[in-house]
Amino acid sequence: NAGVMQNPRHLVRRRGQEARLRCSPMKGHSHVYWYRQLPEEGLKFMVYLQKENIIDESGMPKERFSAEFPKEGPSILRIQQVVRGDSAAYFCASSPMDRGMNTEAFFGQGTRLTVV
Amino acid sequence: DAKTTQPNSMESNEEEPVHLPCNHSTISGTDYIHWYRQLPSQGPEYVIHGLTSNVNNRMASLAIAEDRKSSTLILHRATLRDAAVYYCILRYYGGSQGNLIFGKGTKLSVKP
Repeated sequence: NAGVMQNPRHLVRRRGQEARLRCSPMKGHSHVYWYRQLPEEGLKFMVYLQKENIIDESGMPKERFSAEFPKEGPSILRIQQVVRGDSAAYFCASSPMDRGMNTEAFFGQGTRLTVV
Repeated sequence: DAKTTQPNSMESNEEEPVHLPCNHSTISGTDYIHWYRQLPSQGPEYVIHGLTSNVNNRMASLAIAEDRKSSTLILHRATLRDAAVYYCILRYYGGSQGNLIFGKGTKLSVKP
C-alpha cells in the first residue's frame, strides 16, 4: 500500500504564475488535509476535504488559494498569482473513513514551493 | 480549539529513556490525544494516540493522566534517529475525523 503521494516534490514558479500541488491519498482514504509550513516555523492547517466536499477551510487565505478533492483523481491545492510569501513546504495528509474510532493521519513528503 | 502546551526543547542521551510532557488542561471528553513527530526535511509521522488509557506501540508509550489534563510521550531508548520535533495534538472526534491542529512542539535533541 503506497503512502500519501505528493507531486511535484519541488516546484519553482515566477511571481504571478499559478502553482498546482497534487496529493494522492492512501488507498481507501477519503479524508484529505493540507498544511503549510514556512521556513523554521510550525505546520499551519489550511483545509480539510472529503470526497467532493470542503469540510473546513478556516485556514485558507481568502484570496488566490483554492482546494478540491474530486470523486476521481488526486486532491489539488491551487495557488493563483503566486507571491514570494507563498514560498513554503506544503504537506498533505489523509485519513480513512470514520469507522467508529479515531485513527491516525498519514502525511506525504511535501511539495516545496519556491517563488522567484 | 483546545490547546496544548509543550516545552520548546529537550535533550537526551542516546539509549536513555525520554519523557516528553504535554499539558492540555482544556481537553474535552471528545478529544483524543495524538502525538506526531517531524524529522528534518520530512513530513510529519504518526507516533501514537489515546483517549483515556495508557497506550503502547512499537515506537513509544503514551501515559495519560487520570484527569486527562496532561500526558507524557515515552521513548524507551532514544536513538539518534529520534531527533525530531514532537507535536502533541488534541483531535476532536465527533462522529467524523477531526482536524489536526499543530502547535510549536518540542524539539528533541539526542546526543551520542
